[in-house]
Amino acid sequence: DQQVKQNSPSLSVQEGRISILNCDYTNSMFDYFLWYKKYPAEGPTFLISISSIKDKNEDGRFTVFLNKSAKHLSLHIVPSQPGDSAVYFCAAKRRGSSNTGKLIFGQGTTLQVKP
Amino acid sequence: DTAVSQTPKYLVTQMGNDKSIKCEQNLGHDTMYWYKQDSKKFLKIMFSYNNKELIINETVPNRFSPKSPDKAHLNLHINSLELGDSAVYFCASVSPWRESSYEQYFGPGTRLTVT
Repeated sequence: DQQVKQNSPSLSVQEGRISILNCDYTNSMFDYFLWYKKYPAEGPTFLISISSIKDKNEDGRFTVFLNKSAKHLSLHIVPSQPGDSAVYFCAAKRRGSSNTGKLIFGQGTTLQVKP
Repeated sequence: DTAVSQTPKYLVTQMGNDKSIKCEQNLGHDTMYWYKQDSKKFLKIMFSYNNKELIINETVPNRFSPKSPDKAHLNLHINSLELGDSAVYFCASVSPWRESSYEQYFGPGTRLTVT
C-alpha cells in the first residue's frame, strides 16, 4: 500500500517556463512533507519542506503548496532551468514519528527542462 | 568535506556471497537509516539506528543485518545474496528532534548487482 504517490513518472518543460510536480498521499496522519531532488549516481538532496499547519512555503524559485483536504501537494519551479533536470521525490512524515524521523517516499518524477 | 559517505559505490558479486556496505556521517547526527531503491525506483526504508540502538526494522529478510559501532557509522551486512537484492542502497542521517526539520541527508548510494 503506497501511502505517497507521484503519479506522473516524467515531465518535460521548456526552459524559463513553470514546472509543476504533483504528489498525493493517503494517510491523514502525515504532518510534514519534503521534496528531494536526485541527480543520476548521487543521493537525494533536500529541496524544500512544509508543515501541515501551512499551505504554502517558498524558497527562491521553489514553492510547495499543500492542500490538506485533497491530500495533495505540489512543487512549483519558476522559472525552470536546465540544471533542474533531475528526479524529484516527495516524502512525508507521520505525526507521532518525530522520535524516529521516519519518512515515506513517493516513487519520483523525472523532470527534463529543455533549453 | 563529504557529509554522508558510503563505500563501496559499486558492488558486483555472485549469488550466495556475503557482503558489507559501510556508511559514515560527519554531521553529528544521532539517527541513521538504510534505504533500498529497487528497479521501480521506490525509496524504501529498511532500518534506522539512534545512538547505536535499532529503532526501525521494517519487513526485511534476516539475511540483512545492520550494525552501528557508534552514532557516526551504520554498516549493512548481507548474507547469502540473492538476485532480488540487486538495487541501490542509500544511507541517510538526521537529528529529528534536535533540528525539528526531519531533513535527512543522504549518501551517494551503493549500487549492488548480484549475478
